[in-house]
Amino acid sequence: DTGVSQDPRHKITKRGQNVTFRCDPISEHNRLYWYRQTLGQGPEFLTYFQNEAQLEKSRLLSDRFSAERPKGSFSTLEIQRTEQGDSAMYLCASSLGQGGENTEAFFGQGTRLTVV
Amino acid sequence: SQQGEEDPQALSIQEGENATMNCSYKTSINNLQWYRQNSGRGLVHLILIRSNEREKHSGRLRVTLDTSKKSSSLLITASRAADTASYFCATVDGYSSASKIIFGSGTRLSIRP
Repeated sequence: DTGVSQDPRHKITKRGQNVTFRCDPISEHNRLYWYRQTLGQGPEFLTYFQNEAQLEKSRLLSDRFSAERPKGSFSTLEIQRTEQGDSAMYLCASSLGQGGENTEAFFGQGTRLTVV
Repeated sequence: SQQGEEDPQALSIQEGENATMNCSYKTSINNLQWYRQNSGRGLVHLILIRSNEREKHSGRLRVTLDTSKKSSSLLITASRAADTASYFCATVDGYSSASKIIFGSGTRLSIRP
């Protein structure tokens, strides 16, 4: 399978625990995005990478969120000290882009986080 | 942050009719993209239109772009039950050297059999 894969698909955690999600992009894609989506809303931008460099992080994102993309391949998104408000679908996408150009983004199936 | 705003928020039509969704955005763009999302699934790219293009077709889809009004529309002709989904516009801004993709709030389309 050459699509974007995310792991796990579902995660239930207790409030205060740390969680980590993984995203494997399409191998030749240099850009990788993380989004958060709640019911009835569009994907909310969290952060994105070009190769291993994190280019931007949403100002809405608290310091409890951190993302990495070592070696410009897979990426991890960690949420520390989870809160009930973190419950959402976390989506990863990858694309091929150069400069201001950006092609279509390919999305994974998402990780649904439930904080209880 | 979300730049695009789709209109209407929800649309219900009879199978076979055409569906039109609109998107308005705020800043200068490099390109605008439309995506579809079935319930509980990831998003699927439908079509990309560049800032110097005015209209683009793909199968039953027709997208227009009016950069002077900062708006785009997606037309689905001869709708089918399988078109039931949420549709999102997404913009890539025209200023940054490495631009992110920002999504709107979406239109939920229901096709009645």
